[in-house]
Amino acid sequence: AQSVTQLGSHVSVSEGALVLLRCNYSSSVPPYLFWYVQYPNQGLQLLLKYTSAATLVKGINGFEAEFKKSETSFHLTKPSAHMSDAAEYFCAVSFSGGYQKVTFGTGTKLQVIP
Amino acid sequence: ETGVTQSPTHLIKTRGQQVTLRCSSQSGHNTVSWYQQALGQGPQFIFQYYREEENGRGNFPPRFSGLQFPNYSSELNVNALELDDSALYLCASSSYDPTGELFFGEGSRLTVL
Repeated sequence: AQSVTQLGSHVSVSEGALVLLRCNYSSSVPPYLFWYVQYPNQGLQLLLKYTSAATLVKGINGFEAEFKKSETSFHLTKPSAHMSDAAEYFCAVSFSGGYQKVTFGTGTKLQVIP
Repeated sequence: ETGVTQSPTHLIKTRGQQVTLRCSSQSGHNTVSWYQQALGQGPQFIFQYYREEENGRGNFPPRFSGLQFPNYSSELNVNALELDDSALYLCASSSYDPTGELFFGEGSRLTVL
């Protein structure tokens, strides 16, 4: 079975500081990995995805993530936080074969302090 | 290009009642997935419809059922509502591709009293 674990349900950073949101996955087959963002009272929006090509993936709004197989990690980073980055971030995993079931983590709420 | 729309946005029901939630998928998408997001949790996969048939289901009881129509829109039905069914129900449309992006609607917030 596939699963993701997000370390830290709440993360606070100062505006302009590095953002690091942690995600570890568990999968018996090569995974596809995603980061989604959810703003208050909205649905989820894809930030970026890893699908077995380049291990460093760049997404929207200046975010990027690196797939590290040896560490089973897919951490999300952004060099400089902006106030508009305040939202909840979800790591997710899918896999090839069968139906398109995407399994989400429990989420990390990012607070950006001015 | 029209995005994913869900209705109603909010509703309140009492225990034992039944509810139907609706979703219009994004143009060009043939797959609809439904997720339940309880307060403070990540979305939990309920089931997926592809070409009008359920082709995958999460750990939800049979009182959660659905339909997909020829235009790829979809319904989620929940019978015999329980208090724990209170949640945000999210619909996501996509192409049938495990690497593909899920396009989410804004959800239907169900409160069961």
